[in-house]
Amino acid sequence: GENVEQHPSTLSVQEGDSAVIKCTYSDSASNYFPWYKQELGKRPQLIIDIRSNVGEKKDQRIAVTLNKTAKHFSLHITETQPEDSAVYFCAASRLNSGNTPLVFGKGTRLSVIA
Amino acid sequence: GAVVSQHPSRVICKSGTSVKIECRSLDFQATTMFWYRQFPKKSLMLMATSNEGSKATYEQGVEKDKFLINHASLTLSTLTVTSAHPEDSSFYICSARAGANTGELFFGEGSRLTVL
Repeated sequence: GENVEQHPSTLSVQEGDSAVIKCTYSDSASNYFPWYKQELGKRPQLIIDIRSNVGEKKDQRIAVTLNKTAKHFSLHITETQPEDSAVYFCAASRLNSGNTPLVFGKGTRLSVIA
Repeated sequence: GAVVSQHPSRVICKSGTSVKIECRSLDFQATTMFWYRQFPKKSLMLMATSNEGSKATYEQGVEKDKFLINHASLTLSTLTVTSAHPEDSSFYICSARAGANTGELFFGEGSRLTVL
């Protein structure tokens, strides 16, 4: 089955700096890669996702890149703000193969220091 | 986006008792729901896939007799933790997609179970 590795486990950045979180996956058939943000005690919320037919996607300060050959994908947050502090999870899944679950990485705790 | 609602949000019970957690899709039908478990400061671990009208599919290492899943309708899945023990204390969270190939999983609020 799919295995998703995520690094780093914790990340501290100064407000205004960029943050990068990296993930690798094992199943070459995976074709959907979302990123979720989870604040303390809250449910995970999707912040951005990418499908395997594109290499990069951007939404304001957030971008995701995907390298299918190397089976890794990354989240980039620019101009970080204190409210970006949370735990971020990457995940992978196969779509178009039935309703398959997401397999999550172990998470990255991001702290943005004002 | 689609709404998934989970109840109760918190429950405290004594060892040996059973606890039922409900997961509802409020504005869409979900033939499939996914149940995850999350320990403090840890990741979301898939427990089982709940299928409407059929048996759930459990992940390796998850006891099906311990964690009973029932998906009786297109909008409701329940997880019952039977004969709960302190090690079952955790954050249980359900999720569903609004469509099989839409990608995004919508999560319920989660249920924090504490077994004394």
